[in-house]
Amino acid sequence: AQSVTQPDIHITVSEGASLELRCNYSYGATPYLFWYVQSPGQGLQLLLKYFSGDTLVQGIKGFEAEFKRSQSSFNLRKPSVHWSDAAEYFCAVGARNTGNQFYFGTGTSLTVIP
Amino acid sequence: DAGVIQSPRHEVTEMGQEVTLRCKPISGHDYLFWYRQTMMRGLELLIYFNNNVPIDDSGMPEDRFSAKMPNASFSTLKIQPSEPRDSAVYFCASTLLGGSGNTIYFGEGSWLTVV
Repeated sequence: AQSVTQPDIHITVSEGASLELRCNYSYGATPYLFWYVQSPGQGLQLLLKYFSGDTLVQGIKGFEAEFKRSQSSFNLRKPSVHWSDAAEYFCAVGARNTGNQFYFGTGTSLTVIP
Repeated sequence: DAGVIQSPRHEVTEMGQEVTLRCKPISGHDYLFWYRQTMMRGLELLIYFNNNVPIDDSGMPEDRFSAKMPNASFSTLKIQPSEPRDSAVYFCASTLLGGSGNTIYFGEGSWLTVV
């Protein structure tokens, strides 16, 4: 069965520290992979996405993610976290041939301390 | 592009009342989704449409929930009668099959409180 796992429910980092949010997926074929961010009281905003090609993808706000097929992972990283990065982060996997099969992880809540 | 537009942004209603949430998808998109987000259950897909036709409504919690898409630019999610456990954020989202890798674009949500 298809699924997305974000093992960390909540992460706290200091401002300026590096960040890595984990995402593992289970899917029958090579999927499309996404990271979304949700700030308090807001909708979900697309950070970045992977379709094919270079396995290291760059996104907005200085985020990047690396697709590792052997580990079925798509971890999100940022070298230096800013206080404004405090939010909920969702990993998602989508099918390549239909618009309906789209699975979200349960999210990781990020707290940034000064 | 204006993005996915939802209304109302916030609604507080009394138990038993009818609630109607509205959504305007991104122009040209052929899939529309309704999600519900709660602390306990996270993001849940309620129903989705393809070319205005409901494809899968297995996520709709019960008969009190109904959704329609009368045309390509408008959809509604209705709860009748509403109950306190329906309090949640309801997101509408849309995508274009084959476009931008099926990226789903979300509205800002309708924050529903049933008292």
